[in-house]
Amino acid sequence: DAGVIQSPRHEVTEMGQEVTLRCKPISGHDYLFWYRQTMMRGLELLIYFNNNVPIDDSGMPEDRFSAKMPNASFSTLKIQPSEPRDSAVYFCASSLGRGAYEQYFGPGTRLTVT
Amino acid sequence: SQQGEEDPQALSIQEGENATMNCSYKTSINNLQWYRQNSGRGLVHLILIRSNEREKHSGRLRVTLDTSKKSSSLLITASRAADTASYFCATVDSGGGADGLTFGKGTHLIIQP
Repeated sequence: DAGVIQSPRHEVTEMGQEVTLRCKPISGHDYLFWYRQTMMRGLELLIYFNNNVPIDDSGMPEDRFSAKMPNASFSTLKIQPSEPRDSAVYFCASSLGRGAYEQYFGPGTRLTVT
Repeated sequence: SQQGEEDPQALSIQEGENATMNCSYKTSINNLQWYRQNSGRGLVHLILIRSNEREKHSGRLRVTLDTSKKSSSLLITASRAADTASYFCATVDSGGGADGLTFGKGTHLIIQP
């Protein structure tokens, strides 16, 4: 398996623009997680899905953030409108099960909002 | 919010020496995991220790867990230049509702050749 795939790897956009980040989890994994990493706040869980259903989105910072998982092999994280403070590395991870299972991380998308 | 707090924030040692990193957390946990992140890359799972375990080994890695002190340590023996990376502890709460990982801010380890 190719592992968790994320696209794009880098995104530079202007404030106010819509940004869509994409993730393909490892086949057969029932859980998908979106994390954000910044120097100031470290790694934060934004939202996670189980069998394509959002379970906990309490980490989503604002209504400007939304995430979907239309099928087992694809998820998106959308920011609309984007702001400079959204600049971060966004990671997608997947796992076989809950809790006691290791998570497999994608390479991340480095987002820069100017 | 940050659950784990790693100590030290940065560590520089000579190749061949052992490296020890510590992690403290605040809530009751189901398990604690350690991850490695090379510069500019995603995180890679190293080892998982369950709340009813006290010590676990994997190759050159040794992890301990003290639930009474809410702390864990990661020992890397016979360090190599390739071990240079940031190391994060991550916990899964035992509250039953949360399945995501709560990460500490990490220890940046530098192995001097």
